[in-house]
Amino acid sequence: DGGITQSPKYLFRKEGQNVTLSCEQNLNHDAMYWYRQDPGQGLRLIYYSQIVNDFQKGDIAEGYSVSREKKESFPLTVTSAQKNPTAFYLCASSIRAGLSGANVLTFGAGSRLTVL
Amino acid sequence: LAKTTQPISMDSYEGQEVNITCSHNNIATNDYITWYQQFPSQGPRFIIQGYKTKVTNEVASLFIPADRKSSTLSLPRVSLSDTAVYYCLVGVRRTGFQKLVFGTGTRLLVSP
Repeated sequence: DGGITQSPKYLFRKEGQNVTLSCEQNLNHDAMYWYRQDPGQGLRLIYYSQIVNDFQKGDIAEGYSVSREKKESFPLTVTSAQKNPTAFYLCASSIRAGLSGANVLTFGAGSRLTVL
Repeated sequence: LAKTTQPISMDSYEGQEVNITCSHNNIATNDYITWYQQFPSQGPRFIIQGYKTKVTNEVASLFIPADRKSSTLSLPRVSLSDTAVYYCLVGVRRTGFQKLVFGTGTRLLVSP
């Protein structure tokens, strides 16, 4: 089955540590996105990538970093610079912008990060 | 940037029709309007997408007026399992890239 796999589902981090959240898709989608969701809140865009080896900052990129070395993978690193990283992180993908249906995002199941 | 505005919450009862409206005054000519449903601790799920007039699928209808500055998601005969957060999404285009921005979401509570 095609889809998006996020791992780990739950992650605990000590303050000052960097952690990397994995996101892999086998949908052959060009675009990938990372969103953050806080309890009872909406989704906020962290980073997005339209093509391999290129990515753009979203609304809350500070304290986060990404890479897009392969079309299938878009890992997110939460660095120690992120002051309040405890949240639910969602990865998504879509077909290339400019095509009909480009707004249709397929989401992963999410990764819940807790800072101890 | 196209920004969306939705009611924060809505209440309904089983069997009723629910209409959730989203305002997007700055929608661009080529942007589509897409609605998602999200249950707690899950990723959002695509419901319906439209460009203009009316779109209907097996779960919902989407009404878009001629000026496209708003859209209304209509859920016929809701059940308890429709209790969720509903998001309106409008594509935001900037220098060839598409930045997809979610609205605030509407929390729908369906009661028996």
